[in-house]
Amino acid sequence: EVQLVESGGGLVQPGGSLRLSCAASGFTFSSYEMNWVRQAPGKGLEWVSYISSSGSTIYYADSVKGRFTISRDNAKNSLYLQMNSLRAEDTAVYYCARDAVRSEAFDIWGQGTMVTVSS
Amino acid sequence: QSVLTQPPSVSAAPGQKVTISCSGSSSNIGNNYVSWYQQLPGTAPKLLIYDNNKRPSGIPDRFSGSKSGTSATLGITGLQTGDEADYYCGTWDSSLSANWVFGGGTKLTVL
Repeated sequence: EVQLVESGGGLVQPGGSLRLSCAASGFTFSSYEMNWVRQAPGKGLEWVSYISSSGSTIYYADSVKGRFTISRDNAKNSLYLQMNSLRAEDTAVYYCARDAVRSEAFDIWGQGTMVTVSS
Repeated sequence: QSVLTQPPSVSAAPGQKVTISCSGSSSNIGNNYVSWYQQLPGTAPKLLIYDNNKRPSGIPDRFSGSKSGTSATLGITGLQTGDEADYYCGTWDSSLSANWVFGGGTKLTVL
């Protein structure tokens, strides 16, 4: 079964750091581009970051640029999001999402992990 | 304020048809493929439509997508109570830097 499972969420103080992980299974992880997408409580979806299959190309939303770092370990079938200098407005459910092959869409999503930034 | 504009809510009776619009610009919808996502309450989003009008395996043909110029539309026929969800459009935006953008979402109520 094709699956993405996020972990690493939790409660963190403003200015703190957190590292999210996304474990992939059921497909050849190294062949796929990956993304992080977040959703604040009661709000819509917001794309956060993209990484190419090799990790050589990376994009960030302006709202997280300079604070968040996306990375991947294809040997471990894992995607990561290092979040530094966290702010209250980063509070959200964070989803990892797979890019569809030869298409501009996210075809597989994880169940999400909640990040709460609060003192 | 989302780059892509969707109506906040739509409603229709069971068995009826509904359309959800997604309006953008030449830097996003006008020059890129649009996808649509369904998010049932308390769950992760699910891909409904990709490349403007294609359905992934397992998505019923009650769901359809179209694109014209800088706007896209999701259509749902034969509405069922199980279709009550939030629907989002999405596409790449190449205005200043590479960004994926979503619409603000539309809440579908099946009366």
